[in-house]
Amino acid sequence: AQSVTQPDIHITVSEGASLELRCNYSYGATPYLFWYVQSPGQGLQLLLKYFSGDTLVQGIKGFEAEFKRSQSSFNLRKPSVHWSDAAEYFCAVGVGFNNLFFGTGTRLTVIP
Amino acid sequence: SQTIHQWPATLVQPVGSPLSLECTVEGTSNPNLYWYRQAAGRGLQLLFYSVGIGQISSEVPQNLSASRPQDRQFILSSKKLLLSDSGFYLCAWTTGDRELFFGEGSRLTVL
Repeated sequence: AQSVTQPDIHITVSEGASLELRCNYSYGATPYLFWYVQSPGQGLQLLLKYFSGDTLVQGIKGFEAEFKRSQSSFNLRKPSVHWSDAAEYFCAVGVGFNNLFFGTGTRLTVIP
Repeated sequence: SQTIHQWPATLVQPVGSPLSLECTVEGTSNPNLYWYRQAAGRGLQLLFYSVGIGQISSEVPQNLSASRPQDRQFILSSKKLLLSDSGFYLCAWTTGDRELFFGEGSRLTVL
């Protein structure tokens, strides 16, 4: 069965520091992978997605993610975090045609 | 451009009362529509999805139901709310390329 694991429930980084949020998935076929961001009390916004091709994908707000099939991972990175990046981040895998299966999320706190 | 609207944004209801959350999409036709629930400290759980008018698929058995009376309207309902129904409900749509676009969410508190 498919699953998405985000092992870090909460991460705190200093403003200007680099960031990496981990995501591991389990899915029998070629995955469609997504990262979404959610500000408090808001809906989810798509940061980036991987369907095929180049395994390093660029997204909005300076984020990027790398698909590593051998590790079943799709980690999200940003070289320099801004205070406005504080939010909750969700990794998701596309299952079939009709569903995205989400991880439990990682809450990011940014220290000035 | 496409937009998605959810209402009400916040709702406080007593146990046993009915529920109706509404979601509408503008700027697209024949979207796939979804209802997700987000409970505190947990990820998003798919509740229902719909690929067309009157076509509803349920992913999780519960006391909630969904209806799609019009192409761009998706309604989440309950006849009698339970405490466990509290959470943040998100409507989403896609045209089929798996990228979901989410509404702003509806926070339901059942007392």
